[in-house]
Amino acid sequence: AQRVTQPEKLLSVFKGAPVELKCNYSYSGSPELFWYVQYSRQRLQLLLRHISRESIKGFTADLNKGETSFHLKKPFAQEEDSAMYYCALRTGTYKYIFGTGTRLKVLA
Amino acid sequence: NAGVMQNPRHLVRRRGQEARLRCSPMKGHSHVYWYRQLPEEGLKFMVYLQKENIIDESGMPKERFSAEFPKEGPSILRIQQVVRGDSAAYFCASSPLTVDTEAFFGQGTRLTVV
Repeated sequence: AQRVTQPEKLLSVFKGAPVELKCNYSYSGSPELFWYVQYSRQRLQLLLRHISRESIKGFTADLNKGETSFHLKKPFAQEEDSAMYYCALRTGTYKYIFGTGTRLKVLA
Repeated sequence: NAGVMQNPRHLVRRRGQEARLRCSPMKGHSHVYWYRQLPEEGLKFMVYLQKENIIDESGMPKERFSAEFPKEGPSILRIQQVVRGDSAAYFCASSPLTVDTEAFFGQGTRLTVV
């Protein structure tokens, strides 16, 4: 089965604390994984993808095929990071499957 | 490139009416996806289309919902005889037929059924 699991619906951290948003996937093929962010009342936008291995706004994510995970991390959270975060898997047929999302709240 | 355009942004329908949501993909994109976001919930996949073809409609309710992506014009998501439970944000995304490319999202249509 093709599935993306984000176990936390809500994650609250204090400003300056480390952040880790969990994402696990289930896919028999070679996965392409993405993290999207949705700020309040805005469209979803790409945050980063595993294939480029880049860091955007201080966020990084490493694909761990052994654990089938693609967790999103940031060492020091900022208030403007408060948003909804979605992990997504693209299958070989170009279908994008999203997790249910994690709402990150960064407290002052 | 104007990005993925969805209209209307807001749509109010009475129970039993029809709702038509439009999505114009980015120029050069041949794939369109529709997702539904219920209040306080995440994105749920509905349907994946290419020009004139439905590739995967496994997320579409069996009744009242239909989608098309004609050769000319935008993709349409049609909901017949709307009910209160259809109230949600409906997002469209598009992507080209190339590897290493993400899906680009529209701003969504917020449907309210009264």
